Amino acid sequence: AQTVTQSQPEMSVQEAETVTLSCTYDTSESDYYLFWYKQPPSRQMILVIRQEAYKQQNATENRFSVNFQKAAKSFSLKISDSQLGDAAMYFCAYRLAGGTSYGKLTFGQGTILTVHP
Amino acid sequence: DTAVSQTPKYLVTQMGNDKSIKCEQNLGHDTMYWYKQDSKKFLKIMFSYNNKELIINETVPNRFSPKSPDKAHLNLHINSLELGDSAVYFCASSLGPLVNEQFFGPGTRLTVL
Repeated sequence: AQTVTQSQPEMSVQEAETVTLSCTYDTSESDYYLFWYKQPPSRQMILVIRQEAYKQQNATENRFSVNFQKAAKSFSLKISDSQLGDAAMYFCAYRLAGGTSYGKLTFGQGTILTVHP
Repeated sequence: DTAVSQTPKYLVTQMGNDKSIKCEQNLGHDTMYWYKQDSKKFLKIMFSYNNKELIINETVPNRFSPKSPDKAHLNLHINSLELGDSAVYFCASSLGPLVNEQFFGPGTRLTVL
């Protein structure tokens, strides 16, 4: 079974600084997708960034980028120029590309990010 | 326009009651999901429907019964509510079962007293 582990229950960063959130996963599959979701206090789940396992290039979305290390099964999220609005719980998630998983997302435990002004 | 909506947003009820949570999406998606977020914020999939057919049924007590009257709706009915059912329930949808992005609803916070 696939598992996703976020080893940092909480992280904090100063506004305008950079922070990296860690995620590791366990799978025997070679074709899958990885995601970072943000959950602010409003509770809404928002997709931040996604990475296809077959792509070597790391995904980037504005201030958000990932460091995807397939062999190490590591998928960290870097937030540059942190803003107060980035404060939220961040979830790493895994989805098998095909087979019978039918879109099932497996989530990590989450990391609470605090941004200090 | 709300893409994925859930009603109600908050639900407080007594143990033993039966309750339903409704979900609707106006995105034209074929696939819908129910996730449960427990008190420790852990998110786990419960069910998924594609074109009104059940395609994912995780290990969930049979007191939970999803119903999809059409592709735009996926409701969750819970019988004989227990204290442990208290959680936030999220509905989500995607274009198809193997399409990347899932769009989440705002969640329904269920409190069982």
